[in-house]
Amino acid sequence: KNQVEQSPQSLIILEGKNCTLQCNYTVSPFSNLRWYKQDTGRGPVSLTIMTFSENTKSNGRYTATLDADTKQSSLHITASQLSDSASYICVVSASTGTASKLTFGTGTRLQVTL
Amino acid sequence: DGGITQSPKYLFRKEGQNVTLSCEQNLNHDAMYWYRQDPGQGLRLIYYSQIVNDFQKGDIAEGYSVSREKKESFPLTVTSAQKNPTAFYLCASSNTGTLVALHFGNGTRLTVT
Repeated sequence: KNQVEQSPQSLIILEGKNCTLQCNYTVSPFSNLRWYKQDTGRGPVSLTIMTFSENTKSNGRYTATLDADTKQSSLHITASQLSDSASYICVVSASTGTASKLTFGTGTRLQVTL
Repeated sequence: DGGITQSPKYLFRKEGQNVTLSCEQNLNHDAMYWYRQDPGQGLRLIYYSQIVNDFQKGDIAEGYSVSREKKESFPLTVTSAQKNPTAFYLCASSNTGTLVALHFGNGTRLTVT
């Protein structure tokens, strides 16, 4: 069964600090891994999409890493801002021929405080 | 601005009533999706459509129905057969392909009492 596990479940950090969120997956056959940001009461917004051959990808202060051998990904947030307070969802895509299937993690809820 | 519009934002219904959630996109995307989000769970796929007049069941289609008569529109009906309909429903769209990002609407929170 395809699974995506994220840790920690929740995290509180001070504004300006860095943090790293983790994602472990057991999805086969692996196609790509995505990170989404979801503000409370709103839809998720895509941050990055990474394929098997990509080790790292940045989007502003967000940097995602992927280790396809250990089936782990991380999302690093640099110099956090209050607006970074949100849930961060790891999504892994399995590809079978022309179809693809997404498995969603349960998310890490990040709170950035003063 | 291009995007996905879901309406209404909040919806309240009595048990036993069918209810239809609206989803409209002006991104010219071929594919559209409906997901359900419950606390402590990842998003689960209800139905998806890759082309007008065609749609497929997702992982949790029981108690739901959809139509895709226009490229821009993909309404979801939650029927009285859905045992636990109270949830946050998200509509998404994308171009076809394996490396395309999903664009989500801002959801409809349905409460059934």
